[in-house]
Amino acid sequence: KNQVEQSPQSLIILEGKNCTLQCNYTVSPFSNLRWYKQDTGRGPVSLTIMTFSENTKSNGRYTATLDADTKQSSLHITASQLSDSASYICVVSHNNAGNMLTFGGGTRLMVKP
Amino acid sequence: SAVISQKPSRDICQRGTSLTIQCQVDSQVTMMFWYRQQPGQSLTLIATANQGSEATYESGFVIDKFPISRPNLTFSTLTVSNMSPEDSSIYLCSVGVPGGRGQYFGPGTRLTVT
Repeated sequence: KNQVEQSPQSLIILEGKNCTLQCNYTVSPFSNLRWYKQDTGRGPVSLTIMTFSENTKSNGRYTATLDADTKQSSLHITASQLSDSASYICVVSHNNAGNMLTFGGGTRLMVKP
Repeated sequence: SAVISQKPSRDICQRGTSLTIQCQVDSQVTMMFWYRQQPGQSLTLIATANQGSEATYESGFVIDKFPISRPNLTFSTLTVSNMSPEDSSIYLCSVGVPGGRGQYFGPGTRLTVT
């Protein structure tokens, strides 16, 4: 069964600190993996995308890693800001058509001053 | 990336009524999708909106409850019919990224049914 599991479910950190969110997947076939940020009540916004051959991708203070052998990905947030408070969703695409996705349950991050 | 807009952004509706949500994309796209996100949950695919033909619904979702239109390659509507409080959710449209590189999502419509 195709599954994407994220940990932790929720996380509270102080402003300025770093954090790492985890994503483990059992999806076959694998096309690509995206991390999305979703503010409360809004649609998900793509942060990074990685294909099978890519193991690191950065977008500002966000750095995603992918280990295709162990089927694990992580999203590292550096020097967190209050605006980073959101849900972060790991999404794996099954095919090259882009119409088959498996969503992780998300990690809810709260950054406190 | 495609710019996606949805109308309305939010609404409060009475039980038994219907609401039509519009999704507009700033470029022609082949694939458009509708999702539901219930409070505290991840996204669930409702259907794929097919241009010029009937939408393809996922298990648990039916056309009578969620009729979908896709008159062209930049526009789609989702209607939530005969609403009940259980339909209170965020409804999102998305479009396929060229080359199969996932999907981009609209800003969502926050629906509350009283």
